[in-house]
Amino acid sequence: QSALTQPASVSGSPGQSITISCTGTSSDVGGYNFVSWYQQHPGKPPKLIIYDVHYRPSGVSNRFSGSKSGNTASLTISGLQAEDEADYYCSSHTSRSIRLFGGGTRVTVL
Amino acid sequence: QAQLRESGPGLVKPSETLSLTCTVSNDSISGFYWSWIRQPAGRGLEWIGRIYSSGIANYSPSLKSRVTMSVDTSKNQFSLKLSAVTAADTAVYYCAKDRDYMRWVDPWGQGTLVTVSS
Repeated sequence: QSALTQPASVSGSPGQSITISCTGTSSDVGGYNFVSWYQQHPGKPPKLIIYDVHYRPSGVSNRFSGSKSGNTASLTISGLQAEDEADYYCSSHTSRSIRLFGGGTRVTVL
Repeated sequence: QAQLRESGPGLVKPSETLSLTCTVSNDSISGFYWSWIRQPAGRGLEWIGRIYSSGIANYSPSLKSRVTMSVDTSKNQFSLKLSAVTAADTAVYYCAKDRDYMRWVDPWGQGTLVTVSS
């Protein structure tokens, strides 16, 4: 099973909103509401920022939001800030009881 | 919340077996799922597999023939063994707490770099 598809990079100016897509199939993203998103700064472990498509863990900024339509999940960062510059990964449960990750998206704040 | 720490050799010779242990503190390993995930330098995350506290495991199809996971509830630890390693297995290896139906992974350990080289 191939990795979920994410754009390699997305950029935006401070204060803007950006959206990162995560495309899978009906056997993973489209078949379950079990998509999660992770933020990773250089040299650090990934940090959970969205789970079950659109829920935020306690302590995560409400500038981060998640959604899903069909086989594509999306992460939106609103009011982009310098600290948001990082790599972002989506992940999903699959029908084969394995976990898939997306290839990762580098977010650059211009 | 749980704190996880990976431990094991940082250097493994080609064709040998990579062995890592994850020690869980501030939480019980019983009743939960625990995952191993790796990340080659400059690349994305790769799920290796996960194990339930009972010992039942799921592995990535691409690594299944070389991976064995185990759990020691008495020590609150779980372990990873990856056999017949090559340079392609050089990566930062993370352990993490997983959820029912693989809904999400959190928290993660700090990660440990394993280099495969002679």
